[in-house]
Amino acid sequence: NAGVTQTPKFQVLKTGQSMTLQCAQDMNHEYMSWYRQDPGMGLRLIHYSVGAGITDQGEVPNGYNVSRSTTEDFPLRLLSAAPSQTSVYFCASRRLRAGYEQYFGPGTRLTVT
Amino acid sequence: AQKVTQAQTEISVVEKEDVTLDCVYETRDTTYYLFWYKQPPSGELVFLIRRNSFDEQNEISGRYSWNFQKSTSSFNFTITASQVVDSAVYFCALSEASDNAGKSTFGDGTTLTVKP
Repeated sequence: NAGVTQTPKFQVLKTGQSMTLQCAQDMNHEYMSWYRQDPGMGLRLIHYSVGAGITDQGEVPNGYNVSRSTTEDFPLRLLSAAPSQTSVYFCASRRLRAGYEQYFGPGTRLTVT
Repeated sequence: AQKVTQAQTEISVVEKEDVTLDCVYETRDTTYYLFWYKQPPSGELVFLIRRNSFDEQNEISGRYSWNFQKSTSSFNFTITASQVVDSAVYFCALSEASDNAGKSTFGDGTTLTVKP
C-alpha cells in the first residue's frame, strides 16, 4: 500500500497562474480532505469529500476548487494563484465515520511569487 | 462550534526530562473523538492516538501517556524521559459525532524541542 500520495512535492508559481495539486489514496477511504498549514496556524480545512461525486467547503475554501470523480483521487485546483496561498498543503483520507484517524500525504510546499 | 486550544506554542527541554503537552477542547456534543498527531522535522503527519468521549481511561504506550479528563475538557500528552527523536510539532484534534462528515478541528500545534 502506498497510502496517500501527493504530487508535486514542491512548486513555485507566479501570481495569477493556475495549477492542480494531485492527491491519491489506495485504502478505499470514503473521506478525503485538503488542509493548508501556515506557521502558527495549525491545519485549516480547505475542502473535503465524503465520497465520489460529493464535495463540500471547509474553513478556507476561497481560491480553491476540488472534484472527486473516483474514490481514489481528490485533486485541488488553484484557480489564480495569489501570494496569500503560499503554504504547505496536505491531503488526507480516512474511513467515513467521525471516530477514525486521518492518514496524511507527504505534503506539497507551494510558493507564489 | 468545536475548538481546540494548545496554549503552549513552543516547549524546550533537555533529554531525559518529562514533558506534558496541553490540549483543551470545546464542544457541545456528548459524543466526540480526540486525536494527537506528530509532525517531525521531515514534515509528514503521523497519527499517535484516538480517544472517544465515553472512555476516560488513560492510555500508556511506552514513554507516551495520555490523560483525558472530561471535567476539565482536557486531553494532555506526556512524554516520559524525552529523547531528541521526540522533537516535533504535536497537534491535538477534535471530531464531533454529530458532524456527518466527521470533520476534524486542529489546534495550532506545540513545537517540542528536545536538546541533547
